Amino acid sequence: NAGVTQTPKFRILKIGQSMTLQCTQDMNHNYMYWYRQDPGMGLKLIYYSVGAGITDKGEVPNGYNVSRSTTEDFPLRLELAAPSQTSVYFCASRTRTGVQAFFGQGTRLTVV
Amino acid sequence: EDKVVQSPLSLVVHEGDTVTLNCSYEVTNFRSLLWYKQEKKAPTFLFMLTSSGIEKKSGRLSSILDKKELFSILNITATQTGDSAVYLCAVEALAGGTSYGKLTFGQGTILTVHP
Repeated sequence: NAGVTQTPKFRILKIGQSMTLQCTQDMNHNYMYWYRQDPGMGLKLIYYSVGAGITDKGEVPNGYNVSRSTTEDFPLRLELAAPSQTSVYFCASRTRTGVQAFFGQGTRLTVV
Repeated sequence: EDKVVQSPLSLVVHEGDTVTLNCSYEVTNFRSLLWYKQEKKAPTFLFMLTSSGIEKKSGRLSSILDKKELFSILNITATQTGDSAVYLCAVEALAGGTSYGKLTFGQGTILTVHP
């Protein structure tokens, strides 16, 4: 089972560029999440989705956008990248009544 | 705003030692507290706690929750080098009576176990 798959694993962006971080899960989970983890810190929620077509902001949504057109995919869009967005990004998913969230392997993004 | 604080931030021990990691929280409409282990990449689930005083145990790891004092501890006995990792504590809250699985994480405890 693939679980939660994120691409790319690494990316370097220049200030002002845009990119999309891809996330797909094959577990038919309704709930999906995007977190960022800065060095030495815990994870902070950027956006989440409770099903196709339904998304909502988390704790740190500024500078990001998401969409959820299918159950499987939950891409995260960065517009006008800034150095403050240098971080490791984790996508996660869970069932509606699940105990735990399953995390992808992360995307390490550097904005220079 | 929900808040989770872990202590210590880092810990260095030798194999065979027992360690206790702490997690205190402030959250409106608490649903659960979760512990994750992170070894360089994705966090992996350890425990979910919802009720006070009931110990969850898995091998050498155990955890307990105190909902009155708003904290949890994670114990690791007979530590091994493979226990070296960041241990994350997170809380999940209810919103309007519903849980959407959103987690508020602490900053983590870096555990280093030397041979």
